[in-house]
Amino acid sequence: DAGVIQSPRHEVTEMGQEVTLRCKPISGHDYLFWYRQTMMRGLELLIYFNNNVPIDDSGMPEDRFSAKMPNASFSTLKIQPSEPRDSAVYFCASSLTSGRRTYEQYFGPGTRLTVT
Amino acid sequence: GENVEQHPSTLSVQEGDSAVIKCTYSDSASNYFPWYKQELGKRPQLIIDIRSNVGEKKDQRIAVTLNKTAKHFSLHITETQPEDSAVYFCAARDVNYGQNFVFGPGTRLSVLP
Repeated sequence: DAGVIQSPRHEVTEMGQEVTLRCKPISGHDYLFWYRQTMMRGLELLIYFNNNVPIDDSGMPEDRFSAKMPNASFSTLKIQPSEPRDSAVYFCASSLTSGRRTYEQYFGPGTRLTVT
Repeated sequence: GENVEQHPSTLSVQEGDSAVIKCTYSDSASNYFPWYKQELGKRPQLIIDIRSNVGEKKDQRIAVTLNKTAKHFSLHITETQPEDSAVYFCAARDVNYGQNFVFGPGTRLSVLP
């Protein structure tokens, strides 16, 4: 398997523009997570899905952020409109569960977003 | 919800020495504790994990210990090498909130040659 795939790897955009980040989880994994990483705030969970259904979006900073998972192999994180403070590295991760047993989260390479 | 603290925030050791990073968690129901290593510009990657039914786990130069009573767990790296230099994150799984991890703020480890 190629692992978790994210695109684009780098995104530079101007304030006010819409940004869409994409993620393809590892095949067969039933959980998908979106994280944001900054120097100031560390690694923050934004939202996670189980079997394509959003379970917890309490980490989404505000209404400008939205996430979807239309099928088991694809998810998007959208920021509209973008602001300079959204500049960060955004990671997607996926994991597999079996019953109530937790397995590791596999991270994608991340998308470095710069909003000018 | 769960809260994870991590110390120290930075750690410098001489090559060959040992390094210890400590984390505490708040939710006694947490039962899974992974450690991730993140090299500069790269993704976090799991290096070792421990479940609450085990007190210690070792994998070559890396070991993790868990004290459920005190609600803390530690990462031990022996015979450190320059390639161990990275940011290390501990995490805890909050069983009351599903499958998500709560990560600590990270420790930047520098191994000096």
